[in-house]
Amino acid sequence: ILNVEQSPQSLHVQEGDSTNFTCSFPSSNFYALHWYRWETAKSPEALFVMTLNGDEKKKGRISATLNTKEGYSYLYIKGSQPEDSATYLCAAKTNFGNEKLTFGTGTRLTIIP
Amino acid sequence: NAGVTQTPKFRVLKTGQSMTLLCAQDMNHEYMYWYRQDPGMGLRLIHYSVGEGTTAKGEVPDGYNVSRLKKQNFLLGLESAAPSQTSVYFCASRRGGGNYGYTFGSGTRLTVV
Repeated sequence: ILNVEQSPQSLHVQEGDSTNFTCSFPSSNFYALHWYRWETAKSPEALFVMTLNGDEKKKGRISATLNTKEGYSYLYIKGSQPEDSATYLCAAKTNFGNEKLTFGTGTRLTIIP
Repeated sequence: NAGVTQTPKFRVLKTGQSMTLLCAQDMNHEYMYWYRQDPGMGLRLIHYSVGEGTTAKGEVPDGYNVSRLKKQNFLLGLESAAPSQTSVYFCASRRGGGNYGYTFGSGTRLTVV
């Protein structure tokens, strides 16, 4: 079973500030890394899927980077807004053809107006 | 376009009872998954399917069975419910042919008493 760890567990950020958090995963046999946003009372929503070392993806004010050699990914939020309050999940998959996507426990982000 | 629909949304079962959770997707996705969400833990994969007529075990398959008789439906069955199966169950699906993010349903909250 893959070990995917996220830090911090929770985070309070002032509206307008930028923030980032981390996802760590085993670097051996890495295949893909997913990020999801999970708002309260809703379903997880896919943000990014990354596979290559050095990948950077951006969606509006949210961006992510991937380092497969050292086994980590960062998610950045620029100029936080109240609607960014959510739990951010990362998940990793090893080996081509393996459908077992393993999720971390998430980082719960609260934006303070 | 409804996406991924789970029924029922809530259910209370007595120990030993059986039930089936239905997941339906209207996006013509090849892959479908059942996860459970428990406090303090990441989403854990129960079973998955890579296409109509196929199923495979995930991380925590014991006590559950699944069927994928039609491409759009993925059923999760509990033959003899146990209190340890009290959880929130999420179904997800994704396109085949590459690395795509998952589309999740809204979840089924199951309590076994």
